[in-house]
This record gives sequence, structure tokens and C-alpha cells, in this order.
Amino acid sequence: AQTVTQSQPEMSVQEAETVTLSCTYDTSESDYYLFWYKQPPSRQMILVIRQEAYKQQNATENRFSVNFQKAAKSFSLKISDSQLGDAAMYFCAYRSEAAGNKLTFGGGTRVLVKP
Amino acid sequence: NAGVMQNPRHLVRRRGQEARLRCSPMKGHSHVYWYRQLPEEGLKFMVYLQKENIIDESGMPKERFSAEFPKEGPSILRIQQVVRGDSAAYFCASSPPRGSGPTDTQYFGPGTRLTVL
Repeated sequence: AQTVTQSQPEMSVQEAETVTLSCTYDTSESDYYLFWYKQPPSRQMILVIRQEAYKQQNATENRFSVNFQKAAKSFSLKISDSQLGDAAMYFCAYRSEAAGNKLTFGGGTRVLVKP
Repeated sequence: NAGVMQNPRHLVRRRGQEARLRCSPMKGHSHVYWYRQLPEEGLKFMVYLQKENIIDESGMPKERFSAEFPKEGPSILRIQQVVRGDSAAYFCASSPPRGSGPTDTQYFGPGTRLTVL
């Protein structure tokens, strides 16, 4: 079964600085998708960024970018120029058609942004 | 284009009562997923449905829980004879049918927070 691990329960970053969240996963499949979701205090799950495993180029969305290392099964998220609104729980998630299309989530990393 | 809608947002039930959670997917989406989030934990998959069909219910507890997605109307997650351990946030997500968009991405509703007294 696929597993997703986020080893950092909490990360703190100064406003305007950069923070990197780690995520590793375990799978025997070659075709899959990876996601980062943000969950602010409202508890709404917001898609931050997605990555297709067959693409070597790392995905970017404005201030958010990933470092996808397929061989190492690593998928870290970098938040640049951190803003107060970035404070939230961040969840890494895995999905594959072979595993039934469901999302498998990591345990989450809480990001605190200091003004 | 309205997003995924869930209601109610908050639901309080006493032990032994029934809880019904509703989810209306995004317009044009025919795949619905239910997830449960216990306090301080990540989301856990429960069930995956398409119109009138349960595709994968491997994450559903064997007893008291059921889900449906009828031809007309919202998807319903039903919990019978609720217990305190059912207290959690229940999220619904939807994705489009094949060939009409990025089926790999699931879009989430705001969740229903169930409290069992």
C-alpha cells in the first residue's frame, strides 16, 4: 500500500523568507500524481500545486514550487517570500489510477509565519 | 462556476442518532470522494462513487456507514447509530469524468464537522 510521510510536524518562517516542507512517499508504481494541499484555520482544503510523475520538470505556482525527486520518492514544497496568509496546515498527497484514484495524505505540517 | 458544496457545515448528534451529510459536486463532475479527518490528523479516504455506483469503499467502516450518489441529487454519507468516535470533519471532493478535464485533481468542499455528544 502507498504511504506518504511528512516528517516535520511544524515549521516556523519569518515573513518574506523561504520555507521548505518535506514529503516522502512509498510506491511501486511508475505513473502517479502528487499534490500539496493547504488547510487554513477555516479547514477548507485548497489545492496549492500538483505534479505528474512522468514530468521531470518541477511544478511551480507563483511563490510555490516543488522539488520532485522520483528516484528518491521525495516531493518537497518551497514557499518563497512567505506571507502571513500562508500560515496553515500543509498536506502532501499521492494519487494513482492503479491504486484506485483515491488520495493518500501525509500527516501534515503546520506552518507558522512570524511578522 | 460554484465549487463543491457540503451541508450542513456543522452537525451535532447524540449517541445513537443518525447523521446524514450531503455533498453536491462541482458542475460537470461525476466522481465523488468522501474523506474523514480526525482532530490533528490528515485526511483518510472512505469511499469513491460515480453516479449510481460505488467504485471503491475500501476505507469505509464495515458497519453503520453507507454512501450513495444517485442519478439526481447530491451524494449522501450516512452514519447510523453514531458514537463519540465518529466525531470528525468529513470532506467531500469531486473530479471531472474522463476526457473532460484533469481527472487527476480532486477539488474539496468546505467539510462537515460532526460532533457526537
